[in-house]
Amino acid sequence: EDQVTQSPEALRLQEGESSSLNCSYTVSGLRGLFWYRQDPGKGPEFLFTLYSAGEEKEKERLKATLTKKESFLHITAPKPEDSATYLCAVQARPGGSYIPTFGRGTSLIVHP
Amino acid sequence: GAGVSQSPSNKVTEKGKDVELRCDPISGHTALYWYRQRLGQGLEFLIYFQGNSAPDKSGLPSDRFSAERTGESVSTLTIQRTQQEDSAVYLCASSLGGVTYNEQFFGPGTRLTVL
Repeated sequence: EDQVTQSPEALRLQEGESSSLNCSYTVSGLRGLFWYRQDPGKGPEFLFTLYSAGEEKEKERLKATLTKKESFLHITAPKPEDSATYLCAVQARPGGSYIPTFGRGTSLIVHP
Repeated sequence: GAGVSQSPSNKVTEKGKDVELRCDPISGHTALYWYRQRLGQGLEFLIYFQGNSAPDKSGLPSDRFSAERTGESVSTLTIQRTQQEDSAVYLCASSLGGVTYNEQFFGPGTRLTVL
């Protein structure tokens, strides 16, 4: 059974204080790892897809990295508008389910 | 272009009533998913549609829950004889689907409150 664990559950940062969110996973064979951002009262918004160990993706202050066991979402010099819940999801190789397995998310609050 | 839309945005109902939630996916997306998200919790998979294939209903919590999809368009999630534990946000997502997995695009959700 595919499993995804995100840590920490909650994170409070001061504006400009860089940090990282962790997503540890166990799958039969990774097809893709996805990061989403969810603002209160809204549906998740797609951020990144990572397919293989060593891959990195960047978008503004966010950088996602992937190893064979985990992914990190690095937030550099965060701003209050980066406050949201960040969700990680994995999907297994062909033959596995097309249904992604989501982690429970990390709630990030950035104080001005 | 238009994203995934859901209606109603909010629904308040009495225990025991039936409710119907609607999802309009992005045009051309063959895959459609329904999730439930309780307050402060993660996404709970309910049902998955892919094209004209039989849906994967493995996440439906009870036989009070059902869903339909007309071709590759609108989907409705029906909850019969609602219970207070059904209170949650119901999210719909669509993706390109097919033989490769693609990122999901989510709607804004329907917030269901069962009194």
